[in-house]
Amino acid sequence: AQSVTQPDIHITVSEGASLELRCNYSYGATPYLFWYVQSPGQGLQLLLKYFSGDTLVQGIKGFEAEFKRSQSSFNLRKPSVHWSDAAEYFCAVGAADKLIFGTGTRLQVFP
Amino acid sequence: SQTIHQWPATLVQPVGSPLSLECTVEGTSNPNLYWYRQAAGRGLQLLFYSVGIGQISSEVPQNLSASRPQDRQFILSSKKLLLSDSGFYLCAWSRRAGKRNTGELFFGEGSRLTVL
Repeated sequence: AQSVTQPDIHITVSEGASLELRCNYSYGATPYLFWYVQSPGQGLQLLLKYFSGDTLVQGIKGFEAEFKRSQSSFNLRKPSVHWSDAAEYFCAVGAADKLIFGTGTRLQVFP
Repeated sequence: SQTIHQWPATLVQPVGSPLSLECTVEGTSNPNLYWYRQAAGRGLQLLFYSVGIGQISSEVPQNLSASRPQDRQFILSSKKLLLSDSGFYLCAWSRRAGKRNTGELFFGEGSRLTVL
């Protein structure tokens, strides 16, 4: 069965520090992978997506993610975090007309 | 451009009362439509999705139901709410793309339901 694991429930970083949010997936075929961000009380916004090709994907707001098939991972990174990046981040895998989401990672940013 | 509207934004209902959340998409046709629930600390749970009028797939057994009376309208209902139905409900749509949905989901702003 398809699944997504985000092992970090909550991460705290200082503003300006680098960030990496982990995502592991389980899927039998070539996965379609996504990262979404959710501000409190809001819907979800797409940060980036991977379908095929270059395994390093650039997204909005300075985020990038790298697909590693051998590790079944799609980790999200940002070299320098801004206070406005504080939010909840969801990784998802596309599977037959639907997306399967991980449980999310809440990012807190200290000044 | 495409837009998605969800209402009501906030709802407080007593246990045992009925529920109706509505979602409408504009600016596109034949979308796939989805209902997700987000409970505190539990991520996003897919409840229902629909690939066409009258076609509903249920992902989890529960006392909720969904209907798609029109191409761009998706309704989430319950005849009798439970305390456990409290949560943040998100409607979403995607473009239908061949045999597999490879595109992104576009989310509404959500409906917060509190069952007392």
